[in-house]
Amino acid sequence: DQQVKQNSPSLSVQEGRISILNCDYTNSMFDYFLWYKKYPAEGPTFLISISSIKDKNEDGRFTVFLNKSAKHLSLHIVPSQPGDSAVYFCAASDSGGYQKVTFGTGTKLQVIP
Amino acid sequence: KAGVTQTPRYLIKTRGQQVTLSCSPISGHRSVSWYQQTPGQGLQFLFEYFSETQRNKGNFPGRFSGRQFSNSRSEMNVSTLELGDSALYLCASRLTSAPYEQYFGPGTRLTVT
Repeated sequence: DQQVKQNSPSLSVQEGRISILNCDYTNSMFDYFLWYKKYPAEGPTFLISISSIKDKNEDGRFTVFLNKSAKHLSLHIVPSQPGDSAVYFCAASDSGGYQKVTFGTGTKLQVIP
Repeated sequence: KAGVTQTPRYLIKTRGQQVTLSCSPISGHRSVSWYQQTPGQGLQFLFEYFSETQRNKGNFPGRFSGRQFSNSRSEMNVSTLELGDSALYLCASRLTSAPYEQYFGPGTRLTVT
């Protein structure tokens, strides 16, 4: 049972344009959401997060939007750069217990120069 | 500060064998989590150890086991390897329970033939 889903395995975007990566979740207990970026031969690195009490969080070129009623979040990258080419994982956690992090299947972003 | 290290980086085993993977967390981090990454499945949570005790477990068969030592180093063991166990195994450590403070190692690529 995949509780965090990323339905697009890959995405190609021109340099300078906006990249939009989507994520859906099914567990209503999730109240904290994260995005990780992964380059080949490296482990994932934390990118940006959002608490369920917010609907938007920005950090430079990266913005995460959360729609709790739709159980949907998205990551916007503006403007996209070739160095952003990587696999992006959506993840979710609940504040109870030891906060196990549940990851999605990942979306491979390619930014074309 | 040194990051999370994993050894070995690459491993080839034969079906039916067993394997042990090692993870050294960031100094001071007492929590270590293990994940399996396969194409199409994303990062699947295996288990988490904190102060030598397993405090979270994913939905994997009993062939997958782990332990943590008093110095926080962790090992993961897979017995009776199957072809489907071929994957990238990632280890992550964190200082607190905060989900955004999880730092990943580069992973061990296991190939089962």
